[in-house]
Amino acid sequence: TQTVSQSDAHVTVFEGDSVELRCNYSYGGSIYLSWYIQHHGRGLQFLLKYYSGNPVVQGVNGFEAEFSKSDSSFHLRKASVHWSDSAVYFCAVRDQGGRALIFGTGTTVSVSP
Amino acid sequence: NSKVIQTPRYLVKGQGQKAKMRCIPEKGHPVVFWYQQNKNNEFKFLINFQNQEVLQQIDMTEKRFSAECPSNSPCSLEIQSSEAGDSALYLCASTPDSAETLYFGSGTRLTVL
Repeated sequence: TQTVSQSDAHVTVFEGDSVELRCNYSYGGSIYLSWYIQHHGRGLQFLLKYYSGNPVVQGVNGFEAEFSKSDSSFHLRKASVHWSDSAVYFCAVRDQGGRALIFGTGTTVSVSP
Repeated sequence: NSKVIQTPRYLVKGQGQKAKMRCIPEKGHPVVFWYQQNKNNEFKFLINFQNQEVLQQIDMTEKRFSAECPSNSPCSLEIQSSEAGDSALYLCASTPDSAETLYFGSGTRLTVL
């Protein structure tokens, strides 16, 4: 069974700071990795995905992520956070059956003014 | 913004009672997923459909849980006899293809007393 690990449960940053959220996965063959954001009381919203090609992928609202096969990682970054980026961020990998996504337990980002 | 509609937003049941929640997928999305998100942000895949057909489901879903996606009607997830451990946020997601990005609804928060 593939797994996803998000090592930081909570990250606090100031508005304008950069942030990096870590995600490590267990390799199960074909790669399909994605990041989702969940604001309080809402469903998940897609940020970006990687399955092939350029290991650095751009997403919505200035987010980007970098795939590393050697590190089994897919870390999410943003150069300058805004207060509205306060949310829980989930990394996900597609399971070996190729259909359902397996989610990490999330990283809560709190942006202070 | 996602156009997946989930109702009700909140659902409170006693142990042993039936709990039913509904999901209208985004127009043109034949694939529907149900996930359970607990208070520790752990996601559990329950079942997915392509049109009216079940693609994949976990063992738990085969026992107390039932789900369907009839044509021209909302999809539904029903727990036949609710247990305290079923208290969670139930998320529905749709996608044009099972290999693509998931679009989530805001969820139904079930509390079993």
